[in-house]
Amino acid sequence: DIQMTQSPSTLSASVGDRVTITCRASQSISSWLAWYQQKPGKAPKLLIYKASSLESGVPSRFSGSGSGTEFTLTISSLQPDDFATYYCQQYNSYQWTFGQGTKVEIK
Amino acid sequence: EVQLVQSGAEVKKPGESLKISCKGSGYSFTSYWIGWVRQMPGKGLEWMGIIYPGDSDTRYSPSFQGQVTISADKSISTAYLQWSSLKASDTAMYYCASALYGDLEARYWGQGTLVTVSS
Repeated sequence: DIQMTQSPSTLSASVGDRVTITCRASQSISSWLAWYQQKPGKAPKLLIYKASSLESGVPSRFSGSGSGTEFTLTISSLQPDDFATYYCQQYNSYQWTFGQGTKVEIK
Repeated sequence: EVQLVQSGAEVKKPGESLKISCKGSGYSFTSYWIGWVRQMPGKGLEWMGIIYPGDSDTRYSPSFQGQVTISADKSISTAYLQWSSLKASDTAMYYCASALYGDLEARYWGQGTLVTVSS
């Protein structure tokens, strides 16, 4: 099965910072990669699908890139509402795998 | 309005059985895969399996194969996750999620069902 390695595990940043989270797949998944945001006590929320497609209603400061085995989520200017945990997920061949998560904390 | 509504919180004893549910509404339930995801206290998301309600085609994560059963009743637009013998380590929040209007990305999520297993 495909493993997803996300880094860093924790990230301390300030409002206005540019933030980048990386996700690496153990084998090629083409562009079958999604990013989710989860806040405490809430279900995850889809931000990016197919590696770089922005989900409807998600602010344009979120962007995704990559293909094959290397992917990134970028928040261009961190806002107070963005402090949360972020997960990547591969969805290749009717299998899902999540990365271990990146907690974005206030610096 | 698209909704996935999960059954309520459960408190069970080790060895007991359990079936939790996820009811879809506002879309064609039979046409999109539904997945189940575990989140243990303070931990990350773990994929358990997915089911296509149209024909009940089911795929399991190797980590959960044989440990749980995923099913669906398309007549009432409901997916299920069940255990035959719970363990304390099954204590977690369980989410269902639908790959609605997409490929297999989890676009819509249920509110979660908290399962507590304690003697």
